[in-house]
Amino acid sequence: GNSVTQMEGPVTLSEEAFLTINCTYTATGYPSLFWYVQYPGEGLQLLLKATKADDKGSNKGFEATYRKETTSFHLEKGSVQVSDSAVYFCALSEGNQGGKLIFGQGTELSVKP
Amino acid sequence: DGGITQSPKYLFRKEGQNVTLSCEQNLNHDAMYWYRQDPGQGLRLIYYSQIVNDFQKGDIAEGYSVSREKKESFPLTVTSAQKNPTAFYLCASQGGRNSPLHFGNGTRLTVT
Repeated sequence: GNSVTQMEGPVTLSEEAFLTINCTYTATGYPSLFWYVQYPGEGLQLLLKATKADDKGSNKGFEATYRKETTSFHLEKGSVQVSDSAVYFCALSEGNQGGKLIFGQGTELSVKP
Repeated sequence: DGGITQSPKYLFRKEGQNVTLSCEQNLNHDAMYWYRQDPGQGLRLIYYSQIVNDFQKGDIAEGYSVSREKKESFPLTVTSAQKNPTAFYLCASQGGRNSPLHFGNGTRLTVT
């Protein structure tokens, strides 16, 4: 079946460090891919998305490129801030699954000043 | 502002009682979802509905029930049959296949 695997957390970085959170997926078709962010005590917010191979999603300095050949969608940011501390979820959606999203287990990021 | 409203934010119940969590959306989305989140874990799908008056079980439906009588509303009932109901519950809606989900701010249920 379809699945999403994220790197385990927590990830602890200093402010202005480079961030990479790995995400790989297994899917039978051509999924859309998403990154969501969850701040403490809140719901999830869409961070960025990509709908086909080689698409790059970007938002608020975060980027992720849909790599079909490596079935990956790694999240990157060049310079993290304390306010980026949150849990990040990678997810995929396939049309033949009725549009349901499958989520990875989440990666907690903590940025220290 | 369009969005999803979950209420209440915190809910406390005694074991053996049924409890209903509210989820309302004004985004005119057809599809709505309920997820459960436990500490340090991802989201697990409880129930989903792609159209009014129709819904399907997700991966962990046992001990839960839903209704979808109106497009805007998708309440979740946690019944006494749910063995471990204490969790953070998230409702979401979706505007179309492969579209992103829009989430509410969640309800934290504690059963003692």
